[in-house]
This record gives sequence, C-alpha cells and structure tokens, in this order.
Amino acid sequence: AQSVTQLGSHVSVSEGALVLLRCNYSSSVPPYLFWYVQYPNQGLQLLLKYTSAATLVKGINGFEAEFKKSETSFHLTKPSAHMSDAAEYFCAVSADSGGGADGLTFGKGTHLIIQP
Amino acid sequence: DAGVIQSPRHEVTEMGQEVTLRCKPISGHNSLFWYRQTMMRGLELLIYFNNNVPIDDSGMPEDRFSAKMPNASFSTLKIQPSEPRDSAVYFCASSLAGGRSYEQYFGPGTRLTVT
Repeated sequence: AQSVTQLGSHVSVSEGALVLLRCNYSSSVPPYLFWYVQYPNQGLQLLLKYTSAATLVKGINGFEAEFKKSETSFHLTKPSAHMSDAAEYFCAVSADSGGGADGLTFGKGTHLIIQP
Repeated sequence: DAGVIQSPRHEVTEMGQEVTLRCKPISGHNSLFWYRQTMMRGLELLIYFNNNVPIDDSGMPEDRFSAKMPNASFSTLKIQPSEPRDSAVYFCASSLAGGRSYEQYFGPGTRLTVT
C-alpha cells in the first residue's frame, strides 16, 4: 500500500521568492514519484518524475525535486516564483513497476499563492 | 496528437438518471485510468485497464458505477442511478505501459453535477 502526505494545503510566497512544496510518501516497494500541476478548470500536467535514476530531478517551468529515501521525501522547489506558478500542485506515487501500468495515489494537494 | 479526449466536459443531471462519461486515450497508449476529484476526498483512482482489460476496480465506490473499454480507442464510465454525492470532476488518463516515460497523460475532465 502507498500513501502521500503533502504538508500545507496552502502555501503563499512572494514573487521572486523560493518555492518549497513538501511531500512525504509511504511505500512498501521502491516508489515512483511524480509532481503534477493543475490550473483552474483544467486537467493535470506532469511537472517532473522520479523513476529510480538520478535523485535530483529537473522538470518543466524551472521546478525540481529531490528524492531522499532516508527521509521518504520528494519536496518540490523553484528558486524564484513567478505569478504564473499560482496553481494546485499534487504529489503522487505509483507502485513497483512504474511502467505506466499502475494507478497513481495522490496527495491532497497544495494550493500555491504568489503575492506580487 | 490531440491528447486525451473526454466528453462531455460538463454534465448536469437529476438524481436517479443514468450518466455516461466517455474517454478517448492517446493513440498507441495501452493503459487507461479513471480518477475522481472532489473537495472532500481529493483525487482518487477508480479503475484502470491494461490492454483493454480491467486490472483493478477496487476504487469504484459501489455497484452503481461501471466502466468498460471495448477497444483501445474508447472507454466509458457509467453511473446508474446517479446520486448527488457523485458530483465531482472525473478524469481519464492514459499511458504506455512498459514504456520508459512512466507518465500518465490526463484529459481535461468531465464536471458532473447531480441535483
């Protein structure tokens, strides 16, 4: 069984400031981890993914995340926030194969607010 | 590619009516997933198919829900009879199982309102 915990349902940062969205996971097998972004009234778009290669993963729009097995974490960061980053962010985990054939277990989501 | 296509985008129906949601996955993908998103429960996996075969339907809430995938290009999620608590956004996603991308591509969703 797997689970994902996202700390903070809402995170507010100033434009230009560091963005840090926290994600901790629980998995009985080596996990495959994902961050998705959802803009209002739209579907989910993949930001980045960890699939047992490099532990520091770079994604689209300047986001990156680091897989830390010892901390069971996969936090999402961006050095400088932009107004267009305002959205809902979801961390997700899938089961062993990670080959796209297993359903995702999502966290509750974090709403990112960018202050001008 | 057009991406994952879902129809309708919005559906308003009365309690007790049958509702059918439709999904066309990305061409060449062989896995298809149905998710439901609500404020209370977040994003939940309902069911998924590999090569048109249902693999795990443990997320389907109850017998009122059913899903089919008659071919690689089409899937339906049916609710009969519908209830107000079924109101949610339903997402379809597809992926290439066994591929190296491990990525699921999501459709725009169907917003269902049951009155």
